[in-house]
Amino acid sequence: EVQLVESGGGLVQPGRSLKLSCAASGFTFSDYYMAWVRQAPTKGLEWVASISYDGGSTYYRDSVKGRFTISRDNAKSSLYLQMDSLRSEDTATYYCTTESPQWVMDAWGQGASVTVSS
Amino acid sequence: DIQMTQSPPSLSASLGETVSIECRASEDIYSNLAWYQQKSGKSPQLLIYYASSLQDGVPSRFSGSGSGTQYSLKISGMQPEDEGVYYCLQGSKYPTFGAGTKLELK
Repeated sequence: EVQLVESGGGLVQPGRSLKLSCAASGFTFSDYYMAWVRQAPTKGLEWVASISYDGGSTYYRDSVKGRFTISRDNAKSSLYLQMDSLRSEDTATYYCTTESPQWVMDAWGQGASVTVSS
Repeated sequence: DIQMTQSPPSLSASLGETVSIECRASEDIYSNLAWYQQKSGKSPQLLIYYASSLQDGVPSRFSGSGSGTQYSLKISGMQPEDEGVYYCLQGSKYPTFGAGTKLELK
């Protein structure tokens, strides 16, 4: 059974940093692109970033480019999202997802809550 | 960016009723369209991919269709467990989601 477990969320002040982690199990991690998708409170879904099988290619939405860094460790079956210069508009639940061709997000974790507030 | 216009924003259906949700893309997305269901307090679940392919384990009352810029999700026979918010996702270029459709049981 595919399992994705996010951790590292919490309350952080504007301008500070936070790093999310996602532990994957139940599938061959290195066979999948991976992605982060977020959902602001009471709002819809928003793709954040994606990473290729070996981490050699990364993709970001414009609003996080230069502030967020997606990475992975295939030996540890883990995905990461380093979030710097956080803003109030980054407040959301962040989901770790597997990604099949053409950006299809197959499996989703339970989400990690990030609140950016002073 | 490709914009996805989803309709209706909400709807209410009776038990056994057939329901349709639409998504219109701002340009041709070549059937790179997926549908998700999100139940209250839960993570989204993939229902349909490539416009009409049913994800493993999803009941056959769910079906997808469409091409070009127009796509739809149909639920043939509303069930209580189908309540939730439904989202479309285009994967032709950098992914964008529709705004969601809240489906309730009447």
